[in-house]
Amino acid sequence: DAGVTQSPTHLIKTRGQQVTLRCSPISGHKSVSWYQQVLGQGPQFIFQYYEKEERGRGNFPDRFSARQFPNYSSELNVNALLLGDSALYLCASSLGRTNTGELFFGEGSRLTVL
Amino acid sequence: SQQGEEDPQALSIQEGENATMNCSYKTSINNLQWYRQNSGRGLVHLILIRSNEREKHSGRLRVTLDTSKKSSSLLITASRAADTASYFCARVHMDSNYQLIWGAGTKLIIKP
Repeated sequence: DAGVTQSPTHLIKTRGQQVTLRCSPISGHKSVSWYQQVLGQGPQFIFQYYEKEERGRGNFPDRFSARQFPNYSSELNVNALLLGDSALYLCASSLGRTNTGELFFGEGSRLTVL
Repeated sequence: SQQGEEDPQALSIQEGENATMNCSYKTSINNLQWYRQNSGRGLVHLILIRSNEREKHSGRLRVTLDTSKKSSSLLITASRAADTASYFCARVHMDSNYQLIWGAGTKLIIKP
């Protein structure tokens, strides 16, 4: 069975541009979460979606938005990119409505903002 | 703040030795999880320990939890070069809307 898949794996943008990152969860998982991981730090929670509804939002500006589709895949959008948005963006899926159990992570999308 | 500390930030040991990493936190938790991350890759779940548990084992891994001291430790016994990675503890705090709060991790290097 396929694990969590993310695309693209790497991308380079310039300041002010917009980016869309995509995530497909493990089959049967209805919860998708997004995390930002800056080099040398732990992941920071951005969003969680369950059954297409937002279940949680971290301390990120409104430039960050996400959605979940009927097939439970998800997109993370970041507008008006800043240099500080350069990071590894991780998607995780899980079975439950909350994130209290094991999370299954994709390999991430590495975003570089120039 | 729900942020905690992980120590050490980095640990370098010889293959075959045991590695111990610690995680402390500040507010009550629902559970605590340990994850592993190879350089620049995704995270892999290792062990979940609930607030009413004190110790769990999985293969060469042993996790302890002391809720009175608000701390947890991860012990890797008989380390191997392939254990080289960063290790993170992640907590579900009672007041975090059931989201995981992550530490900064311990970077473990196993020298062959």
